[in-house]
Amino acid sequence: AQSVTQLDSHVSVSEGTPVLLRCNYSSSYSPSLFWYVQHPNKGLQLLLKYTSAATLVKGINGFEAEFKKSETSFHLTKPSAHMSDAAEYFCVVILYNQGGKLIFGQGTELSVKP
Amino acid sequence: NAGVTQTPKFQVLKTGQSMTLQCAQDMNHEYMSWYRQDPGMGLRLIHYSVGAGITDQGEVPNGYNVSRSTTEDFPLRLLSAAPSQTSVYFCASSLAGANRINEQFFGPGTRLTVL
Repeated sequence: AQSVTQLDSHVSVSEGTPVLLRCNYSSSYSPSLFWYVQHPNKGLQLLLKYTSAATLVKGINGFEAEFKKSETSFHLTKPSAHMSDAAEYFCVVILYNQGGKLIFGQGTELSVKP
Repeated sequence: NAGVTQTPKFQVLKTGQSMTLQCAQDMNHEYMSWYRQDPGMGLRLIHYSVGAGITDQGEVPNGYNVSRSTTEDFPLRLLSAAPSQTSVYFCASSLAGANRINEQFFGPGTRLTVL
């Protein structure tokens, strides 16, 4: 069965320092993976997606993620955190054999300190 | 385009009451879905539809019904609300296709409390 596990429920960083949000996946075939962001009391917005083209994927707002098949990981990074990055982040896998359903990780809440 | 719209934004129900959460999209998307979001559990799929007249169950379908009479609308019905259905509900839509990687567009959510 396909699933994703986000290894940290909460991450706190200082403004201007790097961000690392960890995600591991389980899939019986080569997966397609997304990162979504949810700001407080808002809907979800797509940050980036991995589609088996390039293993390093660049997204919006300076975020990027690297797909590592050997480690079954898809960690999200940003070189320098901004206060506006404070939000909840979801790692997501898509199930092709079920009409494109999304399976969400549990979420990681990112706090950014001034 | 308005994108994906949901009504109401907030709702309080008593146990046993019924109601319908509305979802509409104006992007001519074939695929629509309903999720519930609970603390520490991410989003879980309730029901989804790959086109008008076609619906299927997701991970947590019990207590919810859906129908898809038009491409634009995908209402979610709670037949007899229970406190366990207190949650934030999100509707999403995308172009369909099991072998296509399509971004799902999410509505702003409906916050439901069942007393």
